Amino acid sequence: NAGVTQTPKFRVLKTGQSMTLLCAQDMNHEYMYWYRQDPGMGLRLIHYSVGEGTTAKGEVPDGYNVSRLKKQNFLLGLESAAPSQTSVYFCASSWGSRTDTQYFGPGTRLTVL
Amino acid sequence: LAKTTQPISMDSYEGQEVNITCSHNNIATNDYITWYQQFPSQGPRFIIQGYKTKVTNEVASLFIPADRKSSTLSLPRVSLSDTAVYYCLVGDMDSGNTPLVFGKGTRLSVIA
Repeated sequence: NAGVTQTPKFRVLKTGQSMTLLCAQDMNHEYMYWYRQDPGMGLRLIHYSVGEGTTAKGEVPDGYNVSRLKKQNFLLGLESAAPSQTSVYFCASSWGSRTDTQYFGPGTRLTVL
Repeated sequence: LAKTTQPISMDSYEGQEVNITCSHNNIATNDYITWYQQFPSQGPRFIIQGYKTKVTNEVASLFIPADRKSSTLSLPRVSLSDTAVYYCLVGDMDSGNTPLVFGKGTRLSVIA
């Protein structure tokens, strides 16, 4: 039982490049989330999903897209990376309501040059 | 949505009890109070949740006064390994699907 896994763990991009971050969970959770965390800052929600095939915008969605084609996977895409997107990205999942415990992945450290 | 206010940072010596207070003056009747802990270079993890009075588990205690306008996370006899950021979240399970907001949390530094 791996919980929540994220791929890759580290990545360096040049401005304008694109990439996709993969989040996978094996707990059969309905809800999945993508957050970003900048130095000294708390977590800010980028996008979330309340079930397979659904996505919704969070606090800071601009510059990102997401897809939830399978219940266990939640993909975060950067179409044209910018230095302002340099951050640590965390994925999380939870059962089925906003008060349910969120289980977090180990994070992806992304640097955009 | 109930807004929460926490101290930005706190320092403590090893072996002391640490109390972190979260203010949520406009908490709604159905709102729960949840605390997460985030160690450096890791994702947050759930530590405790409560609705009223007192909740205790193997990690911490959560004290909620009768008016529920604040809550206090209590960590008994902290050690260096308790150095982390602690987040207070408030919300209910019925008001749609919008996730709870983490905010900036309280950075606890435990000193030897």
